[in-house]
Amino acid sequence: QVQLVESGGGLVKPGGSLRLSCAASGFTFSDYYMTWIRQAPGKGLEWVSYISNSGSTIYYADSVKGRFTISRDNAKKSLYLQMNSLRAEDTAVYYCARDQWEPPWAFDIWGQGTMVTVSS
Amino acid sequence: QSALTQPASVSGSPGQSITISCTGTSSDLGGYNYVSWYQQHPGKAPKLMIYEVSNRPSGVSNRFSGSKSGNTASLTISGLQAEDEADYYCSSYTSNITLVFGTGTNITVL
Repeated sequence: QVQLVESGGGLVKPGGSLRLSCAASGFTFSDYYMTWIRQAPGKGLEWVSYISNSGSTIYYADSVKGRFTISRDNAKKSLYLQMNSLRAEDTAVYYCARDQWEPPWAFDIWGQGTMVTVSS
Repeated sequence: QSALTQPASVSGSPGQSITISCTGTSSDLGGYNYVSWYQQHPGKAPKLMIYEVSNRPSGVSNRFSGSKSGNTASLTISGLQAEDEADYYCSSYTSNITLVFGTGTNITVL
């Protein structure tokens, strides 16, 4: 079935780094734009980053620009989020999601999320 | 980019209709039709309920409908059911080529 599974979350100290992964199955991964969205504990959703199907077009939220890097490996059907210079305010559940594309900027498949905790 | 504004909570009785508003600016919601609504039950991932202002994905009940006027979008749930109790978020594409979510609305079925 169509599925996204995130991994790589955990506890990291402020200033540290973490790499999240999102494994896709059940659909042609290389056809779809993908995104990362996060949700701090007890808070609302916050869009983080967006990548085109080829990886050539990338967008970031101002809150993570310069610190986070989105990438993908279509051969491995995987999406990544490299997070550097982590701050306490980056603590959240991180979801990867598929852009349904027609029209864009609507996300029809979501993973279960992976928790990132930034704390000393 | 500031979050879109939603009421914190809305409640209704089973069978009633409720409407959730989502207010933005001309740089986001008012300027584009890439407006979506998501439903999120506690501890679960969000689910797409409405896209492009008023379109329902396959499998979403026709009790859910969306609309937009100016800088405000709305989600209406008719024939409210216990299973509709959840958090709902709107989202919109912005002129900065980013996405902004609403502040979220908790729906309580009385």
